Amino acid sequence: QVQLVQSGTEVKKPGASVKVSCKASGYTFTSYDINWVRQATGQGLEWMGWMNPDGDNTGYAQKFQGRVTMTRNSSINTAYMELSSLRSEDTAVYFCARSGVGAHYSFDYWGQGTLVTVSS
Amino acid sequence: SYVLTQPPSVSVAPGKTARMTCGGNNIGSKSVHWYQQKPGQAPVLVIYYDSDRPSGIPERFSGSNSGNTATLTISRVEAGDEAAYYCQVWDSNSDHWVFGGGTKLTVL
Repeated sequence: QVQLVQSGTEVKKPGASVKVSCKASGYTFTSYDINWVRQATGQGLEWMGWMNPDGDNTGYAQKFQGRVTMTRNSSINTAYMELSSLRSEDTAVYFCARSGVGAHYSFDYWGQGTLVTVSS
Repeated sequence: SYVLTQPPSVSVAPGKTARMTCGGNNIGSKSVHWYQQKPGQAPVLVIYYDSDRPSGIPERFSGSNSGNTATLTISRVEAGDEAAYYCQVWDSNSDHWVFGGGTKLTVL
């Protein structure tokens, strides 16, 4: 069965960076995009960006341009999202989600989420 | 940027029908996806491309989209349907995915 398993809880200081991983199994990793979505406590879903199967094309939400980098290692079926210059407002649960290649496809499988806490 | 508007909350008695709206400028020209999220869990896709149901989603869940409003309808509501529901569209002008603010469904 399709599974996306994310790395564990992170606690970071303001100004630091965090790198969250998302390991895929149960499907052909290189046939689907990976998206990243975050959710602050008690808030809604916020899309951060996507990466194509080959890892050579990405699209980032304007809000995160310059601070987010999405990569993938297809040899181990793992995608990564790195967010830099962290501030307290970045405290949230970060999800990876699979979608078909190209725009319009829904997010049919999600990771379990990774809590990132930014605190001095 | 494109904005999706959802009512913050909807309440319905068990066995009745819940309708949750998602408003957006000419949203009928876009494909709408809907997600269910229970507390402490990841979202789950319940409707894609306006009205299609993934396998495993009960037939009680249906969707429609026309004009400036998309609607998620849950028939014969059960206690287990209590959750937050989010609509989503692709904004081709900005090449961004957009989520609505979410509607909290309460089963009375």
